[in-house]
Amino acid sequence: QSALTQPASVSGSPGQSITISCTGTSSDVGGYNYVSWYQQHPGKAPKLMIYDVSNRPSGVSNRFSGSKSGNTASLTISGLQAEDEADYYCSSYTSSSTLAWVFGGGTKLTVL
Amino acid sequence: QLQLQESGPGLVKPSETLSLTCTVSGGSISSSSYYWGWIRQPPGKGLEWIGSIYYSGSTYYNPSLKSRVTISVDTSKNQFSLKLSSVTAADTAVYYCARLEPPNNFDYWGQGTLVTVSS
Repeated sequence: QSALTQPASVSGSPGQSITISCTGTSSDVGGYNYVSWYQQHPGKAPKLMIYDVSNRPSGVSNRFSGSKSGNTASLTISGLQAEDEADYYCSSYTSSSTLAWVFGGGTKLTVL
Repeated sequence: QLQLQESGPGLVKPSETLSLTCTVSGGSISSSSYYWGWIRQPPGKGLEWIGSIYYSGSTYYNPSLKSRVTISVDTSKNQFSLKLSSVTAADTAVYYCARLEPPNNFDYWGQGTLVTVSS
């Protein structure tokens, strides 16, 4: 069970849009529409931002959106704001060995 | 509002067993709709799923940790617990407990607790 692959860092200016990718395999990201995204500010617990590839929990801004193509999922943040600067993690259900869950390595978003 | 709170020693000696408890308030751990899980984060690194448990006691573990991990549930106390044996410095991390809405939504998290493995 390997971690999902994310870019180490991305950056963008306020008002711009950025996309973070999350690459897995056919046993996880590609095999199920069960990808989630989490936002984590320093010293804080992760917060669920997207579930089931593209759904937003109540209270999450519609500036956050998710999608998937093949074995790669993506998180897009539009209209970047200073408070979006954080670490972002993807997660997927996986059945590679047994019922399990796997996270990506994380992406540091810097708002310039 | 559902709340989760981790508790346990912040310092564990190498080769010993790390033990943490997560107390759930504002909701029942016996709900058939949810699983409960442990996730850890070494300092400056990413998240790692450790394992999950259903209120009935069914458990699912990360294959890389399976030989050392035991997760249990106490429905009478609305708690679930983590034991990680034979710890080394590599097990130093912030340990989070979380609610898992199947199939893949860790929607409520505890604040996390730092456990340091050191003699």
